[in-house]
Amino acid sequence: DAGVTQSPTHLIKTRGQHVTLRCSPISGHKSVSWYQQVLGQGPQFIFQYYEKEERGRGNFPDRFSARQFPNYSSELNVNALLLGDSALYLCASSPSTGQFFGPGTRLTVL
Amino acid sequence: GENVEQHPSTLSVQEGDSAVIKCTYSDSASNYFPWYKQELGKRPQLIIDIRSNVGEKKDQRIAVTLNKTAKHFSLHITETQPEDSAVYFCAASRGGGSEKLVFGKGTKLTVNP
Repeated sequence: DAGVTQSPTHLIKTRGQHVTLRCSPISGHKSVSWYQQVLGQGPQFIFQYYEKEERGRGNFPDRFSARQFPNYSSELNVNALLLGDSALYLCASSPSTGQFFGPGTRLTVL
Repeated sequence: GENVEQHPSTLSVQEGDSAVIKCTYSDSASNYFPWYKQELGKRPQLIIDIRSNVGEKKDQRIAVTLNKTAKHFSLHITETQPEDSAVYFCAASRGGGSEKLVFGKGTKLTVNP
């Protein structure tokens, strides 16, 4: 019974670069959400997708974008990386209610 | 905007004691309240949740209570064990949990043997 998977596990980038993070939801889950978790804080909502449509967007700049594919997997893209983008990026999938998190991608921006 | 306040930020108890973590929320339309446990370096794990049509829910040593009027909800852990040590997050959501989660800042629980 596979849970939510994310890749890569860790990533190191420099300022100004872009990054793509990937998420595969639990089989049968059609909703995927992305959260940013800075050290010592709770996760902050970035995006939610359901059936490939954006359902919600958090208070993040336009440098952040996402999409969901026909198989319900998702990508989060961040352009023009800043030092402050260093965080754990979590993906969560949901059947309808309740959200189940993946292990996250630890992004370090130098 | 929507906000969830969580207290205390740190909590230290002796093994076997009870632990209580409290949260308040600002969005009156919130109707789903999950609790997550996050161990160091691991993913947040859903441990219990409650919907607004229920006042209390229990699962073995863990219970959650909800006071809609006061916009308060609490996590109660009884007979704590060292493996309960982790950071616990409360969250609130509209749409029965189908919409975004708004998280509290977390409570670091330490259970001393």
